Amino acid sequence: GAVVSQHPSWVICKSGTSVKIECRSLDFQATTMFWYRQFPKQSLMLMATSNEGSKATYEQGVEKDKFLINHASLTLSTLTVTSAHPEDSSFYICSARSAGGGEQFFGPGTRLTVL
Amino acid sequence: DAKTTQPTSMDCAEGRAANLPCNHSTISGNEYVYWYRQIHSQGPQYIIHGLKNNETNEMASLIITEDRKSSTLILPHATLRDTAVYYCIVRVENTGNQFYFGTGTSLTVIP
Repeated sequence: GAVVSQHPSWVICKSGTSVKIECRSLDFQATTMFWYRQFPKQSLMLMATSNEGSKATYEQGVEKDKFLINHASLTLSTLTVTSAHPEDSSFYICSARSAGGGEQFFGPGTRLTVL
Repeated sequence: DAKTTQPTSMDCAEGRAANLPCNHSTISGNEYVYWYRQIHSQGPQYIIHGLKNNETNEMASLIITEDRKSSTLILPHATLRDTAVYYCIVRVENTGNQFYFGTGTSLTVIP
């Protein structure tokens, strides 16, 4: 199956700093990428949908100025958590979908801990 | 929002078949049923999907009722590595429609 990678796999940062997470589709072109957040013992919550070359669409309640998403190429999307706070500590997961494809292929996730 | 309901947890003996049910009583005619699983601290893994016919692949079988209001994922010979949270999702294929995850079923395979 298609492979999606994320970098870094885990990151620890101080409160108030910004953190960038990369999501790459390694063997296919991803016209659409999705970002999810998962708190401990909870399900995945969709944060935003990004289409290559256009602005991301954010789910209700997700601050677009805090979670900056860039999908500049067909193989790379980035999520930047700006001015991170301890409540932003979570497991962030991306997924990618090719044009005409129904399945989403998920990355391995990035564990963010904000001190 | 998630449009499926699943039992919170299930146990299955190793080597036996694991049958995971999912209710999707409000499913639309053009919505597919997808199954993913998530092993602890990893990203979800695709298992199988179908529209109305039963489907089988190397991982599992998907049985969809005739009225399409429910389905069952079958792992024919469960192993310890099948311990995971299993998510049933409905969505329209080949569109930008997102996946909205429900709470899933936590399957524990017991030695």
